[in-house]
Amino acid sequence: DTAVSQTPKYLVTQMGNDKSIKCEQNLGHDTMYWYKQDSKKFLKIMFSYNNKELIINETVPNRFSPKSPDKAHLNLHINSLELGDSAVYFCASSQGHSHTGELFFGEGSRLTVL
Amino acid sequence: QQPVQSPQAVILREGEDAVINCSSSKALYSVHWYRQKHGEAPVFLMILLKGGEQKGHDKISASFNEKKQQSSLYLTASQLSYSGTYFCYNNNDMRFGAGTRLTVKP
Repeated sequence: DTAVSQTPKYLVTQMGNDKSIKCEQNLGHDTMYWYKQDSKKFLKIMFSYNNKELIINETVPNRFSPKSPDKAHLNLHINSLELGDSAVYFCASSQGHSHTGELFFGEGSRLTVL
Repeated sequence: QQPVQSPQAVILREGEDAVINCSSSKALYSVHWYRQKHGEAPVFLMILLKGGEQKGHDKISASFNEKKQQSSLYLTASQLSYSGTYFCYNNNDMRFGAGTRLTVKP
């Protein structure tokens, strides 16, 4: 069983479209994250949820909207896609918001905006 | 601010050693180290929770100087499998360093 799973793995879409990426973890963790990794490999925190509550919302355009229906799921919806949104998006989870838990990453979702 | 890593890249021959440094202008209460191989997700290597703590993982070890807000990752007798990008992570604000690309050649 995959611990943190993301779908889809690849998205290719046109500018202006809307897309969603789903993430699920079966580790029983209470904190989930979305990270964006650009072409230079820089990993940037976008959002963090603890027990379905948003705890971190970095400077991310409001075209990005996370949704956490329960502790095991954190989805990412992106409206009006732009070329600069092209990146690999990683979902991760950890136990606890005390910052001591290691991060478990999903395989990543590669988004290409044409 | 994200942690600052150095060097940005390093090339080694098998069996050589390397040190990767990580420093932060923000308080570092604990530090994680991750390795990411090409086309894969980052994988946790170790966490350092206390100042001065050193941890080891096979021939990879790390130290943490809380006062100086620095951590270093030591790779000894490198193997081909060590190739990848290494990231330090400030647990305090969930930010990663920019990464150090390590290439080990035969």
